[in-house]
Amino acid sequence: AQSVTQPDIHITVSEGASLELRCNYSYGATPYLFWYVQSPGQGLQLLLKYFSGDTLVQGIKGFEAEFKRSQSSFNLRKPSVHWSDAAEYFCAVGGNTDKLIFGTGTRLQVFP
Amino acid sequence: DTAVSQTPKYLVTQMGNDKSIKCEQNLGHDTMYWYKQDSKKFLKIMFSYNNKELIINETVPNRFSPKSPDKAHLNLHINSLELGDSAVYFCASSQAGLAGADTQYFGPGTRLTVL
Repeated sequence: AQSVTQPDIHITVSEGASLELRCNYSYGATPYLFWYVQSPGQGLQLLLKYFSGDTLVQGIKGFEAEFKRSQSSFNLRKPSVHWSDAAEYFCAVGGNTDKLIFGTGTRLQVFP
Repeated sequence: DTAVSQTPKYLVTQMGNDKSIKCEQNLGHDTMYWYKQDSKKFLKIMFSYNNKELIINETVPNRFSPKSPDKAHLNLHINSLELGDSAVYFCASSQAGLAGADTQYFGPGTRLTVL
């Protein structure tokens, strides 16, 4: 069965520091991988997605993620975090015939 | 212009009542979804409709009944509300019918509190 694990429930970084949010997935076929962000009191917004091709994917707001098949990972990165990046981040996995399965989320706090 | 809108934003009600949440999308998408996000932020799909046809129906109590009058609207009616129904309910839409592959656009959520 497909599943997504986000090992870090809560991460705190200083503004300007680099960020990496971890995501590991389990999926029987070629996965479709997504990162969504949820700001407080808001719905989810897509940051980026991977279907095929280049394993390094660029997204909005300066985020990128790298698909590593050998490690079943799709970690999200940002070189320099801004205070406005404080939010909940969700990794999700799906496929052509499946529903989207979300991880439990990582809450990002940013200190000035 | 709000792409996916939901009403109401907050809903507080007593156990045993019946309530509805409405969702509308103006993106011209064919598929709409309902998700439930529990107190631990876990997000799980409940239903999806493609062009008014039910596509995904997860293991949800039959007290929950989605209705899609047209492809731009997907409402969620809940009968005999229970304490465990308290959650944030998100509506979403996507262009095609591939729930696991399409980009989904989410509404702002409806926070349901059952007392």
